[in-house]
Order: sequence, then structure tokens, then C-alpha cells
Amino acid sequence: AQKVTQAQTEISVVEKEDVTLDCVYETRDTTYYLFWYKQPPSGELVFLIRRNSFDEQNEISGRYSWNFQKSTSSFNFTITASQVVDSAVYFCALVNNAGNMLTFGGGTRLMVKP
Amino acid sequence: EPEVTQTPSHQVTQMGQEVILRCVPISNHLYFYWYRQILGQKVEFLVSFYNNEISEKSEIFDDQFSVERPDGSNFTLKIRSTKLEDSAMYFCASSEEVAGGGEQFFGPGTRLTVL
Repeated sequence: AQKVTQAQTEISVVEKEDVTLDCVYETRDTTYYLFWYKQPPSGELVFLIRRNSFDEQNEISGRYSWNFQKSTSSFNFTITASQVVDSAVYFCALVNNAGNMLTFGGGTRLMVKP
Repeated sequence: EPEVTQTPSHQVTQMGQEVILRCVPISNHLYFYWYRQILGQKVEFLVSFYNNEISEKSEIFDDQFSVERPDGSNFTLKIRSTKLEDSAMYFCASSEEVAGGGEQFFGPGTRLTVL
């Protein structure tokens, strides 16, 4: 069985602060994929990143960066210099290579105050 | 840029009624999915569909639910006799790749309210 845990249910920061959203996962599979999605107040799910289990290289995309550590089964997401528009619920998700069922974490609500 | 579309954006129905939620996946995608999100909770997988049949389904997807691809473009989710607890946002998604790492593109969702 797969499981994704996002221990932080809600985080509040002031604009320009850096913030890290934690994600810990469980799977028995050796090949799997990890995702982050953003859900703004409008409700849609916006894809942010996909990472496969064999690629532990950290990734940076603008103000966003991701730290994948297989040894701790974590795939954390950092936003540097946060902005009000970053306010949203962020979901971490996992799928194994054999299936297409995305298993989502409970989400972290990020509030960025001006 | 191609996108997944869903109609209606909001559906209100009475308990016990049948509802059909509609989705138009991205045209060259082969895999289709339905997920639901009860208000304030996480997104939960319902079902995946490939080659005109269900490939995976969750425990939530019981006999009250069915999916269909009635033509070459639409993908529908039917709930036969709605219950109050079916109130949720329903997301359709599609992906191109066969393997599990294929990015799933989500539609904007249909908010279902059962009264």
C-alpha cells in the first residue's frame, strides 16, 4: 500500500520569507514517481513537478526548489521569497510504475501575508 | 495549449437522483481518470480507464458509480443514486503515457452538491 503524509496542515508566512513544505511517502515499489500539485483558491489542480525514484538530483525552477531524499523517503518543496500569489493548498502525490493511481497527501495550506 | 475540460462546473441534485459528470480529455491521451475531493480534504482516486475498460478502481468506486466513454471525445462519470456524502469536487484527468510516471492533466473540476 502507498501512503503520502504532509504533516503540516497549515503554514502562515509573511511575504518574502522562505518556506518549506514537507512530504514523506511510503511505498514498497522500487520504481515510483512523486509529484507536487498546487490548488489555488479557484480550486483547480496545477501540476508543478514530477520526479522519478531513480533521480535524486534536486531541482530548481525559479523560486521553487525540490529536495528528494530516498534515504528518508521525503520529497520536500521550498518556495523562496514567497509572494501572496503563492497562497494555496499544496499536495504531494505518489504513483508506482505499474499503476496510474495517484495517491495524494492531505495537503498543506500555505498562507502568505503581505 | 490543450486542456481537460469538465461540465458542468457546478451541479446541484437531490439525494437519490442520478447525475452524470462530463469530461473531455486531451485528444491524444489514452488514460483517463476520475478523482474526488470532499471539501477541505485530500484528493482521492476513484477510477482509471484505458482501452474502453476500467484498469483500476478504489474502494470508493462501488456499484453506484460507473464510467463510460460514449464517443471519441467524452468521458463520463455516472452516480446512479446520489447520497449526501457524494457531495464533493470531482476532477477528471488524462495522461498520454502508459507507464505510471505519465503526468496527469487535471480538469477544473465539477462541484457536486447533493441536497
